[in-house]
Amino acid sequence: GQSLEQPSEVTAVEGAIVQINCTYQTSGFYGLSWYQQHDGGAPTFLSYNALDGLEETGRFSSFLSRSDSYGYLLLQELQMKDSASYFCAVTEGGPNTNAGKSTFGDGTTLTVKP
Amino acid sequence: GAVVSQHPSRVICKSGTSVKIECRSLDFQATTMFWYRQFPKQSLMLMATSNEGSKATYEQGVEKDKFLINHASLTLSTLTVTSAHPEDSSFYICSARDTGGGSLETQYFGPGTRLLVL
Repeated sequence: GQSLEQPSEVTAVEGAIVQINCTYQTSGFYGLSWYQQHDGGAPTFLSYNALDGLEETGRFSSFLSRSDSYGYLLLQELQMKDSASYFCAVTEGGPNTNAGKSTFGDGTTLTVKP
Repeated sequence: GAVVSQHPSRVICKSGTSVKIECRSLDFQATTMFWYRQFPKQSLMLMATSNEGSKATYEQGVEKDKFLINHASLTLSTLTVTSAHPEDSSFYICSARDTGGGSLETQYFGPGTRLLVL
């Protein structure tokens, strides 16, 4: 089975940098994804890591260390609109029907204050 | 980018009735779609994996006779909540994997369906 741990809440001010950590225990690991979800909305894809290292996409970056079963999402130049829930998710690899199946963490609620 | 639609976006029904939710991949083919359920302030819980042309694979604890899944084409999967009860009220979200994308991380989420059973 899969299990993921991430902080339940994080608070930061506008313009700051915040890091949301995610540790996981899994079998058949393929990759770690990050999603943003605003209240009442569906998750939107932010970033994905299959290999160790840092992936940068604008203000958001994601890091993965497969040997440590650890990853993080880094949000820079925080804006008020970044207040949302952020989920890490482990995607399983093959074979067959498990391929592409994702298990989500419990989510981290980020509050950005003026 | 790839788009996944869900219909309806919101539904209110009486206890005991059945509700059908559609999930469509609009501009790509998806042999595999996933159905999630999310209760308020909680995470997304995978209910089942929908496979085109074959039976769905249900997660442990999910009643297959209550949550009927049909993946009849490469662009459409349906979830039917049969004999719905108030405890089935939740946010149901589907996602689709782009068959032609070649990468397992290419999973696109629909906008979700909010079900309220009275």
